[in-house]
Amino acid sequence: DGGITQSPKYLFRKEGQNVTLSCEQNLNHDAMYWYRQDPGQGLRLIYYSQIVNDFQKGDIAEGYSVSREKKESFPLTVTSAQKNPTAFYLCASSISTGNNQPQHFGDGTRLSIL
Amino acid sequence: AQSVTQPDIHITVSEGASLELRCNYSYGATPYLFWYVQSPGQGLQLLLKYFSGDTLVQGIKGFEAEFKRSQSSFNLRKPSVHWSDAAEYFCAVGGDRGSTLGRLYFGRGTQLTVWP
Repeated sequence: DGGITQSPKYLFRKEGQNVTLSCEQNLNHDAMYWYRQDPGQGLRLIYYSQIVNDFQKGDIAEGYSVSREKKESFPLTVTSAQKNPTAFYLCASSISTGNNQPQHFGDGTRLSIL
Repeated sequence: AQSVTQPDIHITVSEGASLELRCNYSYGATPYLFWYVQSPGQGLQLLLKYFSGDTLVQGIKGFEAEFKRSQSSFNLRKPSVHWSDAAEYFCAVGGDRGSTLGRLYFGRGTQLTVWP
């Protein structure tokens, strides 16, 4: 079945440590997105990528970094510069960058601080 | 920029009762509108979408939504709620129709509790 796979499901970070969240899709979608979800906040866009080797900052990019070396993969690194990283992180993709395209979501990674 | 307001943070209904979840958007033209549902610890699943044409759209799981331009609303409805509908519901609006960027703007969500 086609879909989006996020791993790990749970992740713990120590102070000063960088951690990387994995997102893989086999839907052959061009566009991919990373969102952060906090209780009562809805979804906030961190980074998005419209095509391989290209990505742009979203609304809350500070303390995060991404890469898009392959169409299928869009990993997110939470750096030590992100002072409040505890949240639920969701990866999504859409078939193209048109804003009428629904986004398909993975099951998320919950990041906590040790 | 576009924005979405979901006025109700939490709604409780009895099983079998009707449901309406409210969504208001801010956008100058005809928007692309979406409703998603999220079960605990899961990602979001698309319930339905509105692009143009008939203002009453049907979705999965027996949900429907009505686009009302005069009220800038896109409320989600279900005639008879099932216990399995308990989840968090998100309304979203697509960006500028002239833009090639496929970003969505999400509301803060409405948590639905269903009493047996």
